[in-house]
Amino acid sequence: GAVVSQHPSRVICKSGTSVKIECRSLDFQATTMFWYRQFPKQSLMLMATSNEGSKATYEQGVEKDKFLINHASLTLSTLTVTSAHPEDSSFYICSAEDRDRAPYNEQFFGPGTRLTVL
Amino acid sequence: RKEVEQDPGPFNVPEGATVAFNCTYSNSASQSFFWYRQDCRKEPKLLMSVYSSGNEDGRFTAQLNRASQYISLLIRDSKLSDSATYLCVVNKAAGNKLTFGGGTRVLVKP
Repeated sequence: GAVVSQHPSRVICKSGTSVKIECRSLDFQATTMFWYRQFPKQSLMLMATSNEGSKATYEQGVEKDKFLINHASLTLSTLTVTSAHPEDSSFYICSAEDRDRAPYNEQFFGPGTRLTVL
Repeated sequence: RKEVEQDPGPFNVPEGATVAFNCTYSNSASQSFFWYRQDCRKEPKLLMSVYSSGNEDGRFTAQLNRASQYISLLIRDSKLSDSATYLCVVNKAAGNKLTFGGGTRVLVKP
């Protein structure tokens, strides 16, 4: 149980295009999902917290107009990187919190999406 | 000062040996603590939660020292498959956001 999927796993795109990444909780309902970014040799940095049916909460320094987050259902959140540039190339990872499971605050991670912007 | 700090390593460990490393956190109001394991180019996976009384899961033992604001992870009888980056994770005092340390890289060698 507690499986989170992400799609696509890898994407290569040209500068200026938009890329949508999907995060799904497969066997549980996730009222809260989180989006992280990880650059090479660095740790995960939280980008935003996504709550079902409401606007996402972005961390300081993360542009909400560039990284559009939609959490339309209890099992799906999407991150759209708009007008991607090479500096947006990174490993994007989502996680989901299953509040019905102990311990509280445990997050289950998706396999990540590796974005390369040429 | 970083919210969660770890020695990046690498810790080069002979197979079968014991290795231990710490992580310090700056927010004294932090409530939940975890160790995650991350393999190269993969997502983090929960290794174990860390409880105030300390806890053990097989060859892995985690300890929490609230007074000194650090947590530790000890791996006994290291296996080659233990080679990974170990991420110290602490919840932020407000809400359910997690803060990740930079990771400690462990390399177990035959």
